[in-house]
Amino acid sequence: GDSVTQMEGPVTLSEEAFLTINCTYTATGYPSLFWYVQYPGEGLQLLLKATKADDKGSNKGFEATYRKETTSFHLEKGSVQVSDSAVYFCALSVKLNSGGYQKVTFGIGTKLQVIP
Amino acid sequence: KAGVTQTPRYLIKTRGQQVTLSCSPISGHRSVSWYQQTPGQGLQFLFEYFSETQRNKGNFPGRFSGRQFSNSRSEMNVSTLELGDSALYLCASSSGQAPSLTDTQYFGPGTRLTVL
Repeated sequence: GDSVTQMEGPVTLSEEAFLTINCTYTATGYPSLFWYVQYPGEGLQLLLKATKADDKGSNKGFEATYRKETTSFHLEKGSVQVSDSAVYFCALSVKLNSGGYQKVTFGIGTKLQVIP
Repeated sequence: KAGVTQTPRYLIKTRGQQVTLSCSPISGHRSVSWYQQTPGQGLQFLFEYFSETQRNKGNFPGRFSGRQFSNSRSEMNVSTLELGDSALYLCASSSGQAPSLTDTQYFGPGTRLTVL
């Protein structure tokens, strides 16, 4: 079956440090890949997405590249801020039928703590 | 455009009771999915509704049920509550339109259910 693997954390970084959160996946078919972010007390928000190999999704200084050969979609940011403290979820979506139905599978979530 | 709304935001129930949670999707969205989020299990898929029909179901007992109305609003019901049902219940909506491979899910803030 489909699965997404990411470290649970917490990942603790100092402000302005470089961030990498690894995400690897297994999927039947050709998935779309997503990163969602969940700030304390809130629901999930879409951070970025990529729909085909070598696509790079980017938003708010975060970016991730769809690597089909390594089945990975690692999240990176060059300089983190305290306001980036949140839980980050990697997810994949696979189209199941011609009707457009999609099944979404989430990783466990990685908690990021950024300290001043 | 208004986002996904969930009511109530917080609920406290006792074991054996039943509960109904409500989700209003983004206007025009026809697909609504429900997830259970707990610290130990992460984000687990409950079920998805599209045009008032359940299209897919996760591995939850029959105590968990749902429905969708003609205006795409959805309700989730949990009967005979157990302590382990304490969780954040998230609802997500998407357009559900075929044959898109990039049907992004938009999440509500969640309903925090505590079972005593």
